Amino acid sequence: DQQVKQNSPSLSVQEGRISILNCDYTNSMFDYFLWYKKYPAEGPTFLISISSIKDKNEDGRFTVFLNKSAKHLSLHIVPSQPGDSAVYFCAASASGGSNYKLTFGKGTLLTVNP
Amino acid sequence: ETGVTQTPRHLVMGMTNKKSLKCEQHLGHNAMYWYKQSAKKPLELMFVYNFKEQTENNSVPSRFSPECPNSSHLFLHLHTLQPEDSALYLCASSQRLAGGKETQYFGPGTRLLVL
Repeated sequence: DQQVKQNSPSLSVQEGRISILNCDYTNSMFDYFLWYKKYPAEGPTFLISISSIKDKNEDGRFTVFLNKSAKHLSLHIVPSQPGDSAVYFCAASASGGSNYKLTFGKGTLLTVNP
Repeated sequence: ETGVTQTPRHLVMGMTNKKSLKCEQHLGHNAMYWYKQSAKKPLELMFVYNFKEQTENNSVPSRFSPECPNSSHLFLHLHTLQPEDSALYLCASSQRLAGGKETQYFGPGTRLLVL
């Protein structure tokens, strides 16, 4: 059973508008969440993260929101740029035990149209 | 070379072949990982090494055999694979083991096709 779900396989937005990518999780032990971005023929690269003690983390055009009660997080990109077109993976980890394990979602392909 | 490199980038092999995937990190990290990404599936952790010692084998079949001779190099030896093993194999490294709090840096991956 998937513990991290990205229910939208793809998303298309216009340049300059906001992109919102969503992620849901089922494991209540997860307490750290990350977003990775992947271009074709490259490995995933770390984008932004958030700890469960926060509900928002911002880094330039990228903001991640966490709603623990709903077990939901989202990545907002504003304004979106064509160079943001990539696959975005949501990942989660839990403290304690094998806390180096990252559980990934399947990814969402974002296309930003000029 | 910088970051995490993987060779070969593409590999086609028959089910009776033996091949090896190589990963090298130039970041001075102590932890290295093998992931598998099959079509329409999430990345799956396969193996974890910390200071050259294997700390995780995520129920991976024995036809996949990892080797970590030092903290900079990681190999994945493949033998008698099945067509369903066709996937993108990604290597990653991090400074230490610490879950998401320790950023993992990924290589570009090896695209494997088993015929």
